[in-house]
Amino acid sequence: SQQGEEDPQALSIQEGENATMNCSYKTSINNLQWYRQNSGRGLVHLILIRSNEREKHSGRLRVTLDTSKKSSSLLITASRAADTASYFCATDGVTGANNLFFGTGTRLTVIP
Amino acid sequence: KAGVTQTPRYLIKTRGQQVTLSCSPISGHRSVSWYQQTPGQGLQFLFEYFSETQRNKGNFPGRFSGRQFSNSRSEMNVSTLELGDSALYLCASSLIAGSETQYFGPGTRLLVL
Repeated sequence: SQQGEEDPQALSIQEGENATMNCSYKTSINNLQWYRQNSGRGLVHLILIRSNEREKHSGRLRVTLDTSKKSSSLLITASRAADTASYFCATDGVTGANNLFFGTGTRLTVIP
Repeated sequence: KAGVTQTPRYLIKTRGQQVTLSCSPISGHRSVSWYQQTPGQGLQFLFEYFSETQRNKGNFPGRFSGRQFSNSRSEMNVSTLELGDSALYLCASSLIAGSETQYFGPGTRLLVL
């Protein structure tokens, strides 16, 4: 079973608006990552936030993590048409292992 | 550096056949992980190899197997293919085992008829 679930499943916004995606997970984690996937292609790593961090920024991306609620959010500011993609959160599994547990993903469409 | 490469990119097989997919990690990366992506089950971890040893395995039947070579290149094999094996198979590499960031290849799309 998957570790995380994302909300919403799909999001459609106008270019220039902000997009917020949420992720909930089930067990304790060491870190949480966000990935982007363009249609049917490989995943691109966006940002990693550790369990002892609450917020992290990278360019137009802002990620928050609330370990008490087992949830994270990804905010993309000033969205662009090129941001159209699916976004996945992923949590780590057994410490020292490389298996990631992915959420169900949010399909973001940015309308030019 | 060149990214993770996967071959072939597309593959069509029939039920009962077997298939071998290949993954070349980023130069210097020694850990390779495999994932299966389907519309129904999403992204699921298959297995991870490091220094030619399988370190971790997901919840998949024994028909799914893999190996890693001394140059870190990895192959995964699926025997006795079933319709449900149709999926995008993604390979990811990282510098060492337990690395936090994984770099994904473009995937191999397998269609089983």
